[in-house]
Amino acid sequence: EVLLVESGGGLVQAGGSLRLSCGASGFSFSTYGMTWVRQAPGKGLEWVSGISGSGGSTYYADSVTGRFSISRDNSKNTLYLEMNSLRAEDTAVYYCAKVGSYSGYFDYWGQGILVTVSS
Amino acid sequence: EIVMTQSPATLAVSPGERVTLSCRASQSVSINVAWYQQKVGQAPRLLIYGASTRATGIPARFSGSGSETVFTLAISSLQSEDFAVYYCQQYNNWPRTFGQGTKVEIK
Repeated sequence: EVLLVESGGGLVQAGGSLRLSCGASGFSFSTYGMTWVRQAPGKGLEWVSGISGSGGSTYYADSVTGRFSISRDNSKNTLYLEMNSLRAEDTAVYYCAKVGSYSGYFDYWGQGILVTVSS
Repeated sequence: EIVMTQSPATLAVSPGERVTLSCRASQSVSINVAWYQQKVGQAPRLLIYGASTRATGIPARFSGSGSETVFTLAISSLQSEDFAVYYCQQYNNWPRTFGQGTKVEIK
C-alpha cells in the first residue's frame, strides 16, 4: 500500500522559513517523480513544485521560484520542500503526491499539512 | 502557462442523474489531462488520467473523454458519495496547472 505522510507544517511569521517533509512507503521511491501541491483555505489546487526520481530535475511554479526548494533523499524515502521568505499568500494545506508512471499526473496523495504564515 | 478553465463552477444534481463536467485548455495539451475528486477535509483522489483511462479502483460510472483543448468528465448515475469538487489538470507542459474546480452538490 502506498503511503505518504507529510510533516513539518505549522505557524511561521512572514519572512520566515519552514521545511516540509514527506515520508513515503509502499513503492520504489527512487523510481518515481514526486510533487508538492497546495490549497489555500477555501480555494482550489495549485501545483507548487516537482522533482524527478533521481532528483536531477526540479520544477517550480512562478509564485515560488527563488523562494522554495524541492529535494529528495532516496536513501530515506523522503521528499522535502524548503520554504523561505514566506508570505501570507503561502498559507495553505500542502500535499505531497507521487507522480504516475513516467507521466505527470498524481496517483497517490498524502493527507496534507497546514502551513500558516502570519503577517 | 496553460490555463485550464472548468465549467460550470457549481452544479446542482439529483442522485441517479447523469453529470457532465467540462474543462478547456488555453492551448493543446494532447491527451495529457487528469481528473481528481476532492471531498471536504480530504486529499484529492485521482479518477482519470490520459484523458480517458480510469485510475485503479475507480467505478465504471466515471468516464473521461477529449483531446487537444476540450475535455469532459461524465458520471453516468450520480451516487451520494460522488458529491464533491472535481478538478482537471494538465501535465503536457510545465508548470503543471489545475482548473479552478467544479462543485457537484445535491439538488
